[in-house]
Amino acid sequence: DQQVKQNSPSLSVQEGRISILNCDYTNSMFDYFLWYKKYPAEGPTFLISISSIKDKNEDGRFTVFLNKSAKHLSLHIVPSQPGDSAVYFCAATLKAAGNKLTFGGGTRVLVKP
Amino acid sequence: NAGVMQNPRHLVRRRGQEARLRCSPMKGHSHVYWYRQLPEEGLKFMVYLQKENIIDESGMPKERFSAEFPKEGPSILRIQQVVRGDSAAYFCASSRAQVGPNTGELFFGEGSRLTVL
Repeated sequence: DQQVKQNSPSLSVQEGRISILNCDYTNSMFDYFLWYKKYPAEGPTFLISISSIKDKNEDGRFTVFLNKSAKHLSLHIVPSQPGDSAVYFCAATLKAAGNKLTFGGGTRVLVKP
Repeated sequence: NAGVMQNPRHLVRRRGQEARLRCSPMKGHSHVYWYRQLPEEGLKFMVYLQKENIIDESGMPKERFSAEFPKEGPSILRIQQVVRGDSAAYFCASSRAQVGPNTGELFFGEGSRLTVL
């Protein structure tokens, strides 16, 4: 049972344009969502997060939007830079059930110069 | 380097051998998690430990896999009698406290890549 899904395995975008990554979840009890970025042969690094009591969180070029009724979140990167080329994972957690993160399958982003 | 340290980075084992993966959490972190990433897939939770305690092992296969986080020393993920399907990247993560709003997030190590021949 895949509780967190990233339906787009890859995304190609021109440098300077906006990258939009999508993530859907099925468990309405999730109360905290995170985005991680991963380069090849490295561990995931934390990017940005959002609590279920909010619908938007912004940090520099990165903005995460949460639509609880649709069980959908998205990550916007603007403007996209070549160094943003990586695999992006969304993750969700349920505070009452402990600390484990449930990850989506990832979206590979390629930013073309 | 104050990050999460994992070793070995690469490990090759033949079927039936044992694999031991080690993880030293970030300084000041007492919560350790192990995740597995199969090729072309996302990360799957395996186990969550605190010092000398297994808190949640709901993602661990019932057989051949075990994990510990002793009072002294690194956390160990042990896989006995490895099979080809165990070939994956195993990531360790640590946190200071429970993940959630205003309490920080997981910090991951660079992973240990196990190849079973």
